[in-house]
Amino acid sequence: AQSVTQPDIHITVSEGASLELRCNYSYGATPYLFWYVQSPGQGLQLLLKYFSGDTLVQGIKGFEAEFKRSQSSFNLRKPSVHWSDAAEYFCAVGPNYSGNTPLVFGKGTRLSVIA
Amino acid sequence: DTGVSQNPRHKITKRGQNVTFRCDPISEHNRLYWYRQTLGQGPEFLTYFQNEAQLEKSRLLSDRFSAERPKGSFSTLEIQRTEQGDSAMYLCASSPSGGNHEQYFGPGTRLTVT
Repeated sequence: AQSVTQPDIHITVSEGASLELRCNYSYGATPYLFWYVQSPGQGLQLLLKYFSGDTLVQGIKGFEAEFKRSQSSFNLRKPSVHWSDAAEYFCAVGPNYSGNTPLVFGKGTRLSVIA
Repeated sequence: DTGVSQNPRHKITKRGQNVTFRCDPISEHNRLYWYRQTLGQGPEFLTYFQNEAQLEKSRLLSDRFSAERPKGSFSTLEIQRTEQGDSAMYLCASSPSGGNHEQYFGPGTRLTVT
């Protein structure tokens, strides 16, 4: 069965500092991978996705993620965090025969940004 | 493109009552998904539709939960005889079918069962 692990429940970074959020997945084949962000009381917004090809993917708001098959990881990075990035971040996996099937989500990492 | 909309945004109900939530997907999207999110957890898949056909419903949490999409447009999720454990955020998402497409999420309906 597919599963997603986000080892860090809560991370605090200073504004302007770099950020890396970890995501490990368990899946028998090459998965489709996603990062979503959720602000308080809001739905989920897609930051970026990996389907195939270049393993370094760029997303919105200056985020990027790298797919590493050998480590079953898809970590999210941002070189300089802004206060508005404070939110909950979810990594998700779907089967690679279709991007339009139910996703399995991690439990999320809550990001706090301090001045 | 007005995005995925959900109504109501908040629902407070007493234990034992029935509740129904509505989701309106992005108009050209023929796949529609329901997820549940409890505090401190990621969304958990419940069921999904391709047009009016319900493709998967074994993940609905109990037989008190049911979903419909009668004309392949909007969908409803009903919970009968609500329990306090049903308190959660119920999220709807939609996507086109075929190819590599992400799911677009609505703002959710927050259910509180007292």
